[in-house]
Amino acid sequence: DTEVTQTPKHLVMGMTNKKSLKCEQHMGHRAMYWYKQKAKKPPELMFVYSYEKLSINESVPSRFSPECPNSSLLNLHLHALQPEDSALYLCASSQARLNTEAFFGQGTRLTVV
Amino acid sequence: AQSVTQLDSHVSVSEGTPVLLRCNYSSSYSPSLFWYVQHPNKGLQLLLKYTSAATLVKGINGFEAEFKKSETSFHLTKPSAHMSDAAEYFCVVIRANQAGTALIFGKGTTLSVSS
Repeated sequence: DTEVTQTPKHLVMGMTNKKSLKCEQHMGHRAMYWYKQKAKKPPELMFVYSYEKLSINESVPSRFSPECPNSSLLNLHLHALQPEDSALYLCASSQARLNTEAFFGQGTRLTVV
Repeated sequence: AQSVTQLDSHVSVSEGTPVLLRCNYSSSYSPSLFWYVQHPNKGLQLLLKYTSAATLVKGINGFEAEFKKSETSFHLTKPSAHMSDAAEYFCVVIRANQAGTALIFGKGTTLSVSS
């Protein structure tokens, strides 16, 4: 199984809502990532978890809060988002070592209204 | 710091003609490089990877890339384009520092294939 599953596929939320994006993998990967992708742009790194610990935070605003409850799951909690946060949010996983590729989920298309 | 530069934002080819998507890299050590493809409204799929083994790397769907250290390049090629190859292509490098490792993407090249 080389699949990374993200839910939901689409999400519309208001600026005062709280919502969560979920990501799951069963490949035994110990590194997991959140990327944000705006239309016609490359994915931008947001967070990296290694062995369930946050190792990289690319200066992401606190309205995005990641969580890694176990080695298979990665969440992204959203609160008080702005319309400019509308984007495709991609989760990825990889083995926690150098020189290894990442496997990506299909993404969650988020619209903030 | 590790980075990649994709030299063309848009490449247009006719079906059956060769494809060349260009990528230059910058790295203070021997890099790990990848090409990913993204079809419209889809996630990212790995096409191929270079991790300091053979310099000519073969990937899926007939794509291949050659790592040239002297030119700091990792260009993606395919002998004959198919309509289904129309997509966004990203050259990717691994960034490794004290904080950890992550994949860093180039700006992307849109490949259009006409019949």
